[in-house]
Amino acid sequence: DADVTQTPRNRITKTGKRIMLECSQTKGHDRMYWYRQDPGLGLRLIYYSFDVKDINKGEISDGYSVSRQAQAKFSLSLESAIPNQTALYFCATSDFLGQGDGDTQYFGPGTRLTVL
Amino acid sequence: AQTVTQSQPEMSVQEAETVTLSCTYDTSESDYYLFWYKQPPSRQMILVIRQEAYKQQNATENRFSVNFQKAAKSFSLKISDSQLGDAAMYFCAYRSDTGTASKLTFGTGTRLQVTL
Repeated sequence: DADVTQTPRNRITKTGKRIMLECSQTKGHDRMYWYRQDPGLGLRLIYYSFDVKDINKGEISDGYSVSRQAQAKFSLSLESAIPNQTALYFCATSDFLGQGDGDTQYFGPGTRLTVL
Repeated sequence: AQTVTQSQPEMSVQEAETVTLSCTYDTSESDYYLFWYKQPPSRQMILVIRQEAYKQQNATENRFSVNFQKAAKSFSLKISDSQLGDAAMYFCAYRSDTGTASKLTFGTGTRLQVTL
C-alpha cells in the first residue's frame, strides 16, 4: 500500500464550486504539505502543517484553505474554484528536520484538477 | 529568497549511455539540502538522490550520482548506463536547513528522453 495517498486522483469541476482534495499518510510523519504544479513552473507550496494544531501559508495560498484533521490527514479546499486553479496538486510529508531523513519530503500520487 | 534554475528544458540520451542534467541555485545560506526528484508519466514524484550541503562527498545511488560544487552553487545529476525507464521529468529542489523553513523550492524541470 502507498505511504501517501490522495483522493480523488482526477476531478473536473465548474467555476464557483467548492472542492476538497484529501491526503492521508501512513508514514507517521508530523509534517504535511500541499503543492501545486503548473506546466513550466515546477511545484509551488500552497500550505504546510507541522502538527495537528499548526497551519502555515506557503507562497501561493490565496484562494485555498486547509484542514489538518489528524496527524495522518491533511485536506486542501478551494472555496470557489476558478479556471486558473486548474493544475496538478501534490500532497507531501516529512519527518522533523534532524530526525532520520527529516529533510526529505515524500509525495503522494497527485490529483489532477480541471476547473471549467 | 532561494531560486533554483534548470537551464535544460529537454535532454536526450541513448540507452546505456551517460547523461548529465544541470542545476544551479542561489542562496545566502551555508547549510541546506539539495534533491533530485523524478516524475515519470505516471506523474508520481520520486526521490532520486539527496545531498547535504555540509558534506563534501558527492552522493551516489546506484546509477545516479551528483556533482555538488558548493562554491559555484551547482548540483548536477549524472545518470550512467541510461535505461528506458529513466525517461521522465527531473526536478532539482532546494531546502533550507532552518527548522521552520520547510518548503522545497523547485526548478522548472528537465525532460529526459531515452532512445534505443
